Amino acid sequence: EIVLTQSPGTLSLSPGDRATLSCRASQNVRSSYLAWYQQKPGQPPRLLIYGASSRATGIPDRFSASGFGTDFTLTINRLEPEDFAVYYCQQFGTSPLYTFGQGTKLEIK
Amino acid sequence: QAHLVESGGGLVKPGGSLRLSCAASGFTFSEYYMGWIRQAPGKGLEWVSYIGTRNSVTNIADSVKGRFTISRDNAKNSLFLQMDSLRAEDTAVYYCARELAIFGAAFDIWGQGTMVTVAS
Repeated sequence: EIVLTQSPGTLSLSPGDRATLSCRASQNVRSSYLAWYQQKPGQPPRLLIYGASSRATGIPDRFSASGFGTDFTLTINRLEPEDFAVYYCQQFGTSPLYTFGQGTKLEIK
Repeated sequence: QAHLVESGGGLVKPGGSLRLSCAASGFTFSEYYMGWIRQAPGKGLEWVSYIGTRNSVTNIADSVKGRFTISRDNAKNSLFLQMDSLRAEDTAVYYCARELAIFGAAFDIWGQGTMVTVAS
C-alpha cells in the first residue's frame, strides 16, 4: 500500500503570501497519478489538480503543482482569504485503488 | 451542470445495514466511472469503492470488503452502496464522486455527502 505523507500538518500564512505544501509517497506513484483537493468546513472536497500538474476546470492559475515519483508539491501564489482550508493529496493506481494523504491545514496567521 | 445528491444515511446499530443512493444529473451518467469516499468526523478522506461504467468492473477497499457492495443503475442515473455488518468505525460522511473522464485517477464532481452513524 502506498502511504502519502503530507507536510506540514498546519501552515500559518497571511493573505498575499505563497504557500508550499508537500506530499511524499512511500513508493513511486504510477504515471504521475497524483491529485490535490481543497476542502472547506462542511463542504465536500474540490478537485484542484490532477495528473500531478494539470489544473482542474475553473481553478485559478495561482494554484500550481509539480513533482513525480515520490515527491509532489502544491504551490498557491498570492493567497486569497478563500484559500484557507485543508488540502489533501491523493494517488491512484495501486491497492488500495485510491489513497489520500492526511491533509495539510492552511490557516490564517 | 453536473450534480450529485446522496441519500440514505442515518443512525444504525452495529451489525445493521444501510443502502446509500446517489442521484446524478447534468451529465451522461452511464459514461463515467464513479466512486464512494468517506470521511470520519474530524478525520481525513478514505476511498471506499469504485465502479466502472457498468456493474462488471468494481473495486473495494480492504476495510469494507465482504461487507459493502457498490452498484449502479444507468437507466435511473443512480449509484448505490449497500452496507452490511456495519461497525462503529464505519461512522462517517459518505460522498459519492465522479471520476474524471478520459484521464481518470481523480474525482472532479462530489456530492454534499450523507452521514452514517453506527452506534447502539
